[in-house]
Amino acid sequence: LAKTTQPISMDSYEGQEVNITCSHNNIATNDYITWYQQFPSQGPRFIIQGYKTKVTNEVASLFIPADRKSSTLSLPRVSLSDTAVYYCLVGDMTSGGYQKVTFGIGTKLQVIP
Amino acid sequence: GAGVSQTPSNKVTEKGKYVELRCDPISGHTALYWYRQSLGQGPEFLIYFQGTGAADDSGLPNDRFFAVRPEGSVSTLKIQRTERGDSAVYLCASSWASGRGSEQFFGPGTRLTVL
Repeated sequence: LAKTTQPISMDSYEGQEVNITCSHNNIATNDYITWYQQFPSQGPRFIIQGYKTKVTNEVASLFIPADRKSSTLSLPRVSLSDTAVYYCLVGDMTSGGYQKVTFGIGTKLQVIP
Repeated sequence: GAGVSQTPSNKVTEKGKYVELRCDPISGHTALYWYRQSLGQGPEFLIYFQGTGAADDSGLPNDRFFAVRPEGSVSTLKIQRTERGDSAVYLCASSWASGRGSEQFFGPGTRLTVL
């Protein structure tokens, strides 16, 4: 499993764009990159997933450079409710839909009023 | 619609006791996962089911841990001779099978405390 490295914590003011970068230098050809969000006392929640270039949904954007050795989760105009832990995961999705992934410590985002 | 549910939400037991934790996945999801999360850490993979069979149990820490999914839906994680180090939040997740993506939908977890 590809190991990921991301900042342990980040602070941001409300209304700002937040970019969280994750390094995954030994990502494999079949690996996809997935980001999850976790609030206290809740299970993680899927945010976004991608393989290369850029993916955007109603919640976030995911930027993946050509070498795929890193990825950046972009949250536009964060609010206090975006305060959470964000996990970057890398895993193989080709094995029958099963994506064995490893959650690291994640990035604790604190949004400040 | 109904999400993944887990029961009980909290379980307090004494060292050496046996516990069972239950997971009800989203209807139609054939893949089911168990994770364990300690304070300040990310979820740690325990076991993965595809249908009724455990396709990957490499994350189970030792033979005191066992999980079943006899009818391909509800799953039970069983822990024998509990130890204080087993205290954690146990998370269950489910997802669609191949071809429909692998987004995992997590339940709220069961907080296990071993005294």
